[in-house]
Amino acid sequence: GIQVEQSPPDLILQEGANSTLRCNFSDSVNNLQWFHQNPWGQLINLFYIPSGTKQNGRLSATTVATERYSLLYISSSQTTDSGVYFCAVLYGNNRLAFGKGNQVVVIP
Amino acid sequence: KAGVTQTPRYLIKTRGQQVTLSCSPISGHRSVSWYQQTPGQGLQFLFEYFSETQRNKGNFPGRFSGRQFSNSRSEMNVSTLELGDSALYLCASSPFPTGELFFGEGSRLTVL
Repeated sequence: GIQVEQSPPDLILQEGANSTLRCNFSDSVNNLQWFHQNPWGQLINLFYIPSGTKQNGRLSATTVATERYSLLYISSSQTTDSGVYFCAVLYGNNRLAFGKGNQVVVIP
Repeated sequence: KAGVTQTPRYLIKTRGQQVTLSCSPISGHRSVSWYQQTPGQGLQFLFEYFSETQRNKGNFPGRFSGRQFSNSRSEMNVSTLELGDSALYLCASSPFPTGELFFGEGSRLTVL
C-alpha cells in the first residue's frame, strides 16, 4: 500500500511563531485532506486539497501532487493550535491512508 | 446541518463479548467509512460502504464486519473481543466515495 510520512513528528512553538508541517506520499493520490484532532478525538477538517493552494485564516495548505507532497502552514500560532495534525490521502480503489501525525504544542 | 453522529460514545466490554457501533452520516451523504485509532498502529482503515454495498475493506480479521442501511446509516460489529480491540473507532461520511470526508466524534471502546 501507499506510504504517508509526516514531518516533523513533534513540534514545540512559541505563541506567535510560524510553522510548516509536511506530508510526503509514495504514490499518486485521488485526493488529500488535512485534519486537526481535538482533545476529545474528533478529526476536524482543515483542508480538502488534492492539488494547489488554499487558505483559511491563519492556516494555509499547498499540495504538489506531481512531486507527492503537501504542506500545512500555521502562521502566528496560538495555544488553541496545539494538538495532532493528520494528513490523509485517498488512493487506488478509494482507500484512505493516514500519516502518523504531527504533534504540535504551542507555548504561551 | 447535523454532523456525523456516532453512538455510543464510550463503552466497556470484556474479552469474548461482541459490540455494535452505529454511525449516522450527514444528511445526503451516501458514503460511510470506518477507522480504528490506537496509540500503536495509528489510524487504520476498516471498511467503506456506498449505497449499501461494501466497496473496500482494510486488513482486519473477519471478526470485524459492517453494513449500511438504505438510509445510509451504518453499523460495525466486532465479535469475540480481544484486549487489542480497545481503540477509538471513527466513522466518516462523504457525499460520494472520492469526496471530502467528515468525521464523527468517535466511539471509544475499552476491552477488559
